[in-house]
Amino acid sequence: DQQVKQNSPSLSVQEGRISILNCDYTNSMFDYFLWYKKYPAEGPTFLISISSIKDKNEDGRFTVFLNKSAKHLSLHIVPSQPGDSAVYFCAASGTGTASKLTFGTGTRLQVTL
Amino acid sequence: DTEVTQTPKHLVMGMTNKKSLKCEQHMGHRAMYWYKQKAKKPPELMFVYSYEKLSINESVPSRFSPECPNSSLLNLHLHALQPEDSALYLCASSHGPGAVETQYFGPGTRLLVL
Repeated sequence: DQQVKQNSPSLSVQEGRISILNCDYTNSMFDYFLWYKKYPAEGPTFLISISSIKDKNEDGRFTVFLNKSAKHLSLHIVPSQPGDSAVYFCAASGTGTASKLTFGTGTRLQVTL
Repeated sequence: DTEVTQTPKHLVMGMTNKKSLKCEQHMGHRAMYWYKQKAKKPPELMFVYSYEKLSINESVPSRFSPECPNSSLLNLHLHALQPEDSALYLCASSHGPGAVETQYFGPGTRLLVL
């Protein structure tokens, strides 16, 4: 039962353009969402998070949008840079299970020159 | 500073060996985690330590034995592993249980079981 889904396994974007990575979840108990970036053979690096009481959170080039009614979140990267090429995981946790992160399957982003 | 360190970076072991993975953080975090990640898969939670006590064991086989000697250190003792246990083992830490919070990951230990 995949409670967090990233339906696009890969995405290719030109440098300078916007990258939009999507994530859907099914568990309505999730109330905190995170995005991690991962290079091969390295640990995930935390990028940005959002609580369910918000619908948008911005940090520099990264913005996360949350649509609770649709159980959907997205990560926008503007402008995309070649160094952004990595696998991006969304993750979710819920009240009472705050110690447990449920990860999506990841989206591989390639930013081309 | 959000650094979690892990040693060794790479480990090759036979099925009869005993080895240990080490994780350290100096952020004052009171929750620490072990995850396992196979290629092209998301990280899978193995264990959670909260205030140095084991709070979650995700039905992990007993050949994996976690230990939390103090609030900064987390070990994973390995014994009689199988080739299918080969994976990237990730340690993470967070402020502490209760409120929703961010987990910070170490670089991982790449384990190969022969």
